[in-house]
Amino acid sequence: AQSVTQLDSQVPVFEEAPVELRCNYSSSVSVYLFWYVQYPNQGLQLLLKYLSGSTLVKGINGFEAEFNKSQTSFHLRKPSVHISDTAEYFCAVSDPTGGGNKLTFGTGTQLKVEL
Amino acid sequence: EPEVTQTPSHQVTQMGQEVILRCVPISNHLYFYWYRQILGQKVEFLVSFYNNEISEKSEIFDDQFSVERPDGSNFTLKIRSTKLEDSAMYFCASGGQGNTGELFFGEGSRLTVL
Repeated sequence: AQSVTQLDSQVPVFEEAPVELRCNYSSSVSVYLFWYVQYPNQGLQLLLKYLSGSTLVKGINGFEAEFNKSQTSFHLRKPSVHISDTAEYFCAVSDPTGGGNKLTFGTGTQLKVEL
Repeated sequence: EPEVTQTPSHQVTQMGQEVILRCVPISNHLYFYWYRQILGQKVEFLVSFYNNEISEKSEIFDDQFSVERPDGSNFTLKIRSTKLEDSAMYFCASGGQGNTGELFFGEGSRLTVL
């Protein structure tokens, strides 16, 4: 079984400041890792994903994440946030050996960007 | 850009009533999913559907729930005899052939059970 832990339920940050949203996972097999963003009253949108290869993954809107196998982490970072980045961010994992793409989500981190 | 569409966007129903939530996945996708998000909580897997049958379901997906793909395009979630605790946002998602890892989500159907 797989699980995802997002320790920070809320992260307040000032505009133009850097931010890191933490994600740790547990799995008995290798995993694919994802970050999804949910803007208010909208569905989930893929920010970035790690399948294999380079451990540093770049996504949309200037976000990036680094896969660290030894620490079982996939933290999301942005060097300078904007007001429009205010949203809920979900980390998720899937099992690459499975036939489909079933995702297991973390509890989410609410990023609130303030002026 | 192809997208997953869901209807209705919001449904209010009385406890004990049946509800059908509809989804039109991306046309060439083969894997279909329903997820649920109770207000303030995480997104939970309900069921996956492949090759016209359920491939996996969670413990949440009991006999009260059913899914079907009646006409090759729509993918529906039926909730029989709704309970107050079924109030949530229900997301449909679809994925392409092979395990590319990415799911495409609809904007959700908010169900309110009174």
